[in-house]
Amino acid sequence: DTAVSQTPKYLVTQMGNDKSIKCEQNLGHDTMYWYKQDSKKFLKIMFSYNNKELIINETVPNRFSPKSPDKAHLNLHINSLELGDSAVYFCASSQDSADNQPQHFGDGTRLSIL
Amino acid sequence: AQSVAQPEDQVNVAEGNPLTVKCTYSVSGNPYLFWYVQYPNRGLQFLLKYITGDNLVKGSYGFEAEFNKSQTSFHLKKPSALVSDSALYFCAVRPGHAGNMLTFGGGTRLMVKP
Repeated sequence: DTAVSQTPKYLVTQMGNDKSIKCEQNLGHDTMYWYKQDSKKFLKIMFSYNNKELIINETVPNRFSPKSPDKAHLNLHINSLELGDSAVYFCASSQDSADNQPQHFGDGTRLSIL
Repeated sequence: AQSVAQPEDQVNVAEGNPLTVKCTYSVSGNPYLFWYVQYPNRGLQFLLKYITGDNLVKGSYGFEAEFNKSQTSFHLKKPSALVSDSALYFCAVRPGHAGNMLTFGGGTRLMVKP
């Protein structure tokens, strides 16, 4: 009964490849997020979607493209992977972008670029 | 823009002793404040939040936090630490008005020794 699930858990690939990370939440939440956690554990938001519409798009290279087919899913596609993309990527969800409810996080996808 | 500072990279405490993990913030207007905990290879888990009302907030696993508006602080506390409390702790803030994003501090590693 995992609330926010991400696949894959680990992703090892070569520079220049294109890869996707999938995220699904079964909490009925309206808002979903992608975060990047670097090697120093610093956590930074990348994107936020509310009811399938983009509401936050931080300074992220346009090689990163989120896609939300429905409000329960927010996938992250990355083109032309670079060494600096190596990090742990977390998906999260919350009831709404404008309320005070906490965000629920997935267990992360550890992306390693060779 | 909002910001969060966690001045200690690591806090060491003996089991049974009280613990404090420090957090100060900067935000326009009234803040919404959160504490999250991250265990190894897991996503962030919500511990507690301050939105309004009583400055002392109680949360999961016996943790509590005190909101101090004059010092713009929201320190996390627990009266008696357990070895199982050892983890990475993140403080986060967002403005109280609608439609803005959560900003995280850099995290503090708590080590509780037997």
